[in-house]
Amino acid sequence: NAGVTQTPKFQVLKTGQSMTLQCAQDMNHEYMSWYRQDPGMGLRLIHYSVGAGITDQGEVPNGYNVSRSTTEDFPLRLLSAAPSQTSVYFCASSLISNQPQHFGDGTRLSIL
Amino acid sequence: SQQGEEDPQALSIQEGENATMNCSYKTSINNLQWYRQNSGRGLVHLILIRSNEREKHSGRLRVTLDTSKKSSSLLITASRAADTASYFCATDRGSGGSNYKLTFGKGTLLTVNP
Repeated sequence: NAGVTQTPKFQVLKTGQSMTLQCAQDMNHEYMSWYRQDPGMGLRLIHYSVGAGITDQGEVPNGYNVSRSTTEDFPLRLLSAAPSQTSVYFCASSLISNQPQHFGDGTRLSIL
Repeated sequence: SQQGEEDPQALSIQEGENATMNCSYKTSINNLQWYRQNSGRGLVHLILIRSNEREKHSGRLRVTLDTSKKSSSLLITASRAADTASYFCATDRGSGGSNYKLTFGKGTLLTVNP
C-alpha cells in the first residue's frame, strides 16, 4: 500500500496563479483532512471531509476550495495564490472518526 | 487558535537519557494524541490516550493525561539518535471523537546526541 500520496512535493507559484494540490489514499479511508504547517505555528486545519461528497471548513479555510468526488481523492485548490499561503501542506486520512490519522509527506509551496 | 502547547520548544539530550515533553490544552477533549515528525517528512502517529485514561505505554513511550490540569506528558525512555524529531500533541474537540479535525500544538524539537 502506498498510504497517503501527495503531489507535487514542491511547487513555486506567482501571486495570483491558481493550482491544485493532489491527495490520494489507497486505504479506503472515509475521513480526509488538509492542514498547513507554518514555522512556529504547528499544523492548522484548512478543510476536511467525512466521506465522498461531504466537505466542511476548518480553522483557516479562506483562499482554498476542496471537493471529494471519490473516496480516494481529496484535492485542495488555491484560487488566487497569495504570499501568505506559502507553507507546507499536509493531507491526512483515517478509516473511522475516532482513529488516528495517516499523513502524507507534504507539499512545500512557495508563492512569490 | 492553538489548542495544545508543548513545552519545552526544544530539548537536547544524550543518547540513553530520558526525554520528557509536556502539552497543555484549553478545552475539554475526547482524546489526546502524540505525533512525531522527522525533518522534511509527514507526521507519524505515536500514541492516543482517551480522556478516561490516565496513563498509557507503547514500547519506550509513556504518556500521561491529567484532565483536571488539562495537560499531558510524553516520556521517551533510553533515547536513541533515531528519536531526533519534532513531537506534537494533538487534540480533538468534537463530540464522539473527531480525529479528522485535530488541533495541534507548536511542537517540541528533540535532538538526541550520539
